[in-house]
Amino acid sequence: GQNIDQPTEMTATEGAIVQINCTYQTSGFNGLFWYQQHAGEAPTFLSYNVLDGLEEKGRFSSFLSRSKGYSYLLLKELQMKDSASYLCAVRALGAGNMLTFGGGTRLMVKP
Amino acid sequence: EAQVTQNPRYLITVTGKKLTVTCSQNMNHEYMSWYRQDPGLGLRQIYYSMNVEVTDKGDVPEGYKVSRKEKRNFPLILESPSPNQTSLYFCASSNQLHYGYTFGSGTRLTVV
Repeated sequence: GQNIDQPTEMTATEGAIVQINCTYQTSGFNGLFWYQQHAGEAPTFLSYNVLDGLEEKGRFSSFLSRSKGYSYLLLKELQMKDSASYLCAVRALGAGNMLTFGGGTRLMVKP
Repeated sequence: EAQVTQNPRYLITVTGKKLTVTCSQNMNHEYMSWYRQDPGLGLRQIYYSMNVEVTDKGDVPEGYKVSRKEKRNFPLILESPSPNQTSLYFCASSNQLHYGYTFGSGTRLTVV
């Protein structure tokens, strides 16, 4: 089975940088995904990591360390619209494209 | 426009009355999934399909059925709904293993 842990809630200030961590345990790792979900809406894909290191996409970056079972999502120059839940999801080897999601981190951005 | 379409968006039904939630994608995706989302429990996978006529159980399949007779459609069937199936349901599709799923807008189901 898989176990995925994220903080439940975080608060940050507009214009600042925030890092959302995700730790996971899986019998065989085959990729980690980050999604953003605004309240009452569908999740939207943010990033994908399968090799160690940092993937950068504009204001968002995602980091992976497979040996530590650890990932983080870094959000720079925070905007009010970044207030949302951020979901970490792991794909296991032999699981096709099945994803297991963590509980999500609710980020509140304050002025 | 590339999208995943779920219907209905909202549904209130009574215990035991069979219902189907439809899901259709226009992106020719191979992979499709159904998830339910509950407060404090996050997104949990119900069923999964790798291609036409290929389906597999997710983490919480009890009380649900699916079929994949055509590539574009992946309906979720509740033969005898119960109140514990009250939830927000999402259908999602994906084409390549290194891309994320595209999610539908969700179906909020209430079983009374």
